[in-house]
Amino acid sequence: AQSVTQLDSQVPVFEEAPVELRCNYSSSVSVYLFWYVQYPNQGLQLLLKYLSGSTLVKGINGFEAEFNKSQTSFHLRKPSVHISDTAEYFCAVSEGNSGGYQKVTFGTGTKLQVIP
Amino acid sequence: EAQVTQNPRYLITVTGKKLTVTCSQNMNHEYMSWYRQDPGLGLRQIYYSMNVEVTDKGDVPEGYKVSRKEKRNFPLILESPSPNQTSLYFCASSAPGGTEAFFGQGTRLTVV
Repeated sequence: AQSVTQLDSQVPVFEEAPVELRCNYSSSVSVYLFWYVQYPNQGLQLLLKYLSGSTLVKGINGFEAEFNKSQTSFHLRKPSVHISDTAEYFCAVSEGNSGGYQKVTFGTGTKLQVIP
Repeated sequence: EAQVTQNPRYLITVTGKKLTVTCSQNMNHEYMSWYRQDPGLGLRQIYYSMNVEVTDKGDVPEGYKVSRKEKRNFPLILESPSPNQTSLYFCASSAPGGTEAFFGQGTRLTVV
């Protein structure tokens, strides 16, 4: 069964500093990987996704993530954060090419707090 | 505009009083799901549907029911709500093949 681990529940970072949000997954088959962002009082929206191909994936708002198959990781990075990046970030995995329904499993989330 | 619409956004109810949370999507997606979000637990899937009249249990289905009579609608039914169902609920829809999920704005349910 697939699972997702986000070890950091909260990450404080100063404005304009770089940030990395960690995500590790486990799955016995090939996977699709996602990062979603949730702003206060809103639903989740997609930041970026990895389906296949290049392991470095660029998303919206200057975020990027790198798929590392050997380390089963999909860490999210941004070189310089803004106050507006304050939100909760969820990593998610679904098993690729499994046919039928592709269940999506979410991590427990990382709250990014950008400090002015 | 592509969207998933949930209603109501906020609901306070009493233990045992049946309620329904509606969910509608305008993207002609086959897949729809319900999740609950609780602090420290992330999103946990309650039920999902692969298409009209095809539904199945997710990870935490106890105390919930769903139906999928039309492709666009996927209501969540709590026949006899209890305080442990106090949570933030999200409906999501997606197409097959590893595509992104589109989420509704959420329904904050309090059961007293």
